[in-house]
Amino acid sequence: GQQVMQIPQYQHVQEGEDFTTYCNSSTTLSNIQWYKQRPGGHPVFLIQLVKSGEVKKQKRLTFQFGEAKKNSSLHITATQTTDVGTYFCAGHRAGGTSYGKLTFGQGTILTVHP
Amino acid sequence: DTAVSQTPKYLVTQMGNDKSIKCEQNLGHDTMYWYKQDSKKFLKIMFSYNNKELIINETVPNRFSPKSPDKAHLNLHINSLELGDSAVYFCASSPLQLAGVGETQYFGPGTRLLVL
Repeated sequence: GQQVMQIPQYQHVQEGEDFTTYCNSSTTLSNIQWYKQRPGGHPVFLIQLVKSGEVKKQKRLTFQFGEAKKNSSLHITATQTTDVGTYFCAGHRAGGTSYGKLTFGQGTILTVHP
Repeated sequence: DTAVSQTPKYLVTQMGNDKSIKCEQNLGHDTMYWYKQDSKKFLKIMFSYNNKELIINETVPNRFSPKSPDKAHLNLHINSLELGDSAVYFCASSPLQLAGVGETQYFGPGTRLLVL
């Protein structure tokens, strides 16, 4: 079955440092989504990428979708304590139905030390 | 105002009991989901309903039975609870999107289940 792997599992940074999490799928994806879950909270949608090689930015966050549509990355510039949480990538398998299964990566838990 | 709501928020129960978790969404979405999140934060889909019809049924023990009385509600009943069922259960909903564009999923606050 489809697998989505995310690395690293944990990342500890000092406030102001950059952070990157990587996502790799065993199959080609039709799209990749990113979610953030604050401690004790629920996953919240951040962004979706659909096109091969797509790059999107949200303030200090930069999202990339690989050319082969099998990998993605999230980069945060100059982390702040408000960035603390677990970041998940999730993707739909290419060729699936429009309400097919969204497979989540195992998440990267980000800790930011002030 | 809450988009996706779940009850109860916390559930502590004894092994062998039967319990239900309820979910409601007021977003007008067609599809609803149940996810299980274990202690390592891994999110795994359990079930999905589209307009009251079951469309995703992952390898989940028969003790778990979802029910969707209408497209705004999706409940989860668990029989004979086991220690390994302890987890956070998230309900989510999504609107139907164009093919190739994934549905954005809106998660509820979660139900923290502890089986003793």
